[in-house]
Amino acid sequence: QVQLQESGPGLVKPSQTLSLTCTVSGDPITSGNYYWSWIRQPAGKGLEWIGRVYTTGNTDYNPSLKSRVTMTIATSKNQFSLRLNSVTAADTAIYFCARLKSYYYYLDFWGPGMLVTVSS
Amino acid sequence: QSALTQPASVSGSPGQSITISCTGTNTNVGSYNFVSWYQQHPGKAPKLMIFEVIKRPSGVSNRFSGSKSGNTASLTISGLQADDEAEYYCSSYAGGSTLVFGGGTTLTVL
Repeated sequence: QVQLQESGPGLVKPSQTLSLTCTVSGDPITSGNYYWSWIRQPAGKGLEWIGRVYTTGNTDYNPSLKSRVTMTIATSKNQFSLRLNSVTAADTAIYFCARLKSYYYYLDFWGPGMLVTVSS
Repeated sequence: QSALTQPASVSGSPGQSITISCTGTNTNVGSYNFVSWYQQHPGKAPKLMIFEVIKRPSGVSNRFSGSKSGNTASLTISGLQADDEAEYYCSSYAGGSTLVFGGGTTLTVL
């Protein structure tokens, strides 16, 4: 069974860069036809897809966040990462990492989520 | 504003059936059979309940079923149980290698 776990700073100052890592266990990150994805959820609000990264390093991002987002993958560590720059209070949210089935676009395994607060 | 429109809330009594709609456009729901549904209990991560419009992952009760007509997808839950009370989200492939979510629907079991 695949398991995912988010990690990183829970507090980021405005205008700085949010950096999170997702560690995957239970299966090599390179196995199967899967992308690795980030999703966020502001308190009391809905889900927002941030983007995805493939094992080759290829990425696709939500157009509304594309200018500020970078996703990378470290296959030797079974990890993938998110960087979101120039953050504001509007970026305060629970950030989830998840496995995305290639072509069929469903998220079958999720991490528990991590609250990131943007505040000075 | 979410790309997919869901009712804010639905409710039903134990044993009854309810349906949650998810309305998109011909650039997402209407053009692809890649609609998924997720259940989220408070403080928890979303859980995949339906994928590719009608398919259920292993371990998900057959009380959950999905369908689609035109630009609207639907999730039906039959034989409502107390534990079904949760937030439900739909998602769809939206072209250009992107994914969009609905705004979420709160299901209350009366």
